[in-house]
Amino acid sequence: DGGITQSPKYLFRKEGQNVTLSCEQNLNHDAMYWYRQDPGQGLRLIYYSQIVNDFQKGDIAEGYSVSREKKESFPLTVTSAQKNPTAFYLCASRFGQESQPQHFGDGTRLSIL
Amino acid sequence: RKEVEQDPGPFNVPEGATVAFNCTYSNSASQSFFWYRQDCRKEPKLLMSVYSSGNEDGRFTAQLNRASQYISLLIRDSKLSDSATYLCVVNTSTGFQKLVFGTGTRLLVSP
Repeated sequence: DGGITQSPKYLFRKEGQNVTLSCEQNLNHDAMYWYRQDPGQGLRLIYYSQIVNDFQKGDIAEGYSVSREKKESFPLTVTSAQKNPTAFYLCASRFGQESQPQHFGDGTRLSIL
Repeated sequence: RKEVEQDPGPFNVPEGATVAFNCTYSNSASQSFFWYRQDCRKEPKLLMSVYSSGNEDGRFTAQLNRASQYISLLIRDSKLSDSATYLCVVNTSTGFQKLVFGTGTRLLVSP
């Protein structure tokens, strides 16, 4: 089935540790996005990529890093510099023009141990 | 002022009722608009795009008012399964897509 797969569903981070969240899509979408959602808040954009080997910072990129070496993959690393990493992380992708909607994976919940 | 504002609710309605949500946006240059539905602890799912002339999908009707900078969602004949949080989403940028998400309006449909 076509879709966006995020893994793992739940992740725990120790103090000073970097962790990587996986996002894979087989929809042949060019654009991919990472958001975080905190309770009572709207989704906030961390990073986005419009094409392979290119990505841009979103509104809250500090403490995060990404890569886009393949069209279908857009992993997000939460570094130790991110002091408040506990959140629901959502990956999305989009096909075609800017007017088209984004579609989301089922998310990763990250907590601090 | 927030870029996208929604009444957080909750809206408590009985089955079969009609309910409407509004959402206002601050950037008059916004290009495209969407309603997403999000169930508790799940990812947002696209409910419908919102077109300038208004559009309908079954029991759901979306309207856009560019002059007043708001969009609306009308749900007719509410079902228990419509209970969820409804997110108003606006593309505020040109040249690339930057979606701004409202914090959502919670709907509770009761028997």
